[in-house]
Amino acid sequence: DAGITQSPRHKVTETGTPVTLRCHQTENHRYMYWYRQDPGHGLRLIHYSYGVKDTDKGEVSDGYSVSRSKTEDFLLTLESATSSQTSVYFCAISGAISGGTYNEQFFGPGTRLTVL
Amino acid sequence: DQQVKQNSPSLSVQEGRISILNCDYTNSMFDYFLWYKKYPAEGPTFLISISSIKDKNEDGRFTVFLNKSAKHLSLHIVPSQPGDSAVYFCAATDFGNEKLTFGTGTRLTIIP
Repeated sequence: DAGITQSPRHKVTETGTPVTLRCHQTENHRYMYWYRQDPGHGLRLIHYSYGVKDTDKGEVSDGYSVSRSKTEDFLLTLESATSSQTSVYFCAISGAISGGTYNEQFFGPGTRLTVL
Repeated sequence: DQQVKQNSPSLSVQEGRISILNCDYTNSMFDYFLWYKKYPAEGPTFLISISSIKDKNEDGRFTVFLNKSAKHLSLHIVPSQPGDSAVYFCAATDFGNEKLTFGTGTRLTIIP
């Protein structure tokens, strides 16, 4: 299994508070992704990174920001959490730092976030 | 605009029989397709993939069929086992694209 960890695994917060989720990989993969999973919507891409300090938006990026200061870490921040951001968040990785792109993505265990 | 569609939210199959999960896509640029399996409280795991240069790919009990003209793919599981009970996601991309587009998933339940 790919070495991907997410922290925290569970979090309950209140509307309006900032929240940061962390994804850490030990595989030295180039690409990292943040998804959210919601009933009836499957997995939707929030943001992704194609290298250190290189990020781009996905299809549901509003209300989220990301940062990648090291190859191994990709942070997802909700600046001011809303109830609509209650979801399960998955981090994924793919590719090799020195190579081209690969389509197979490996997923972390997920973070369940509840915004009250 | 849902470019990858899994029209069956759920499917129940008797143990030992064949499970067939379906996926349709609308983007003609897609040329690489993947299936992921997801258990509760875990992340999705890669199951099998197929390139558009093929129409079939097998891996043990799992076979994926691709019909490019119909923009349709299916995952066959034979024989179905209780451990196959999970949510299955279809995903698509054009090769070299770093992003995947996922369907909404099908919950498969294998009845003992």
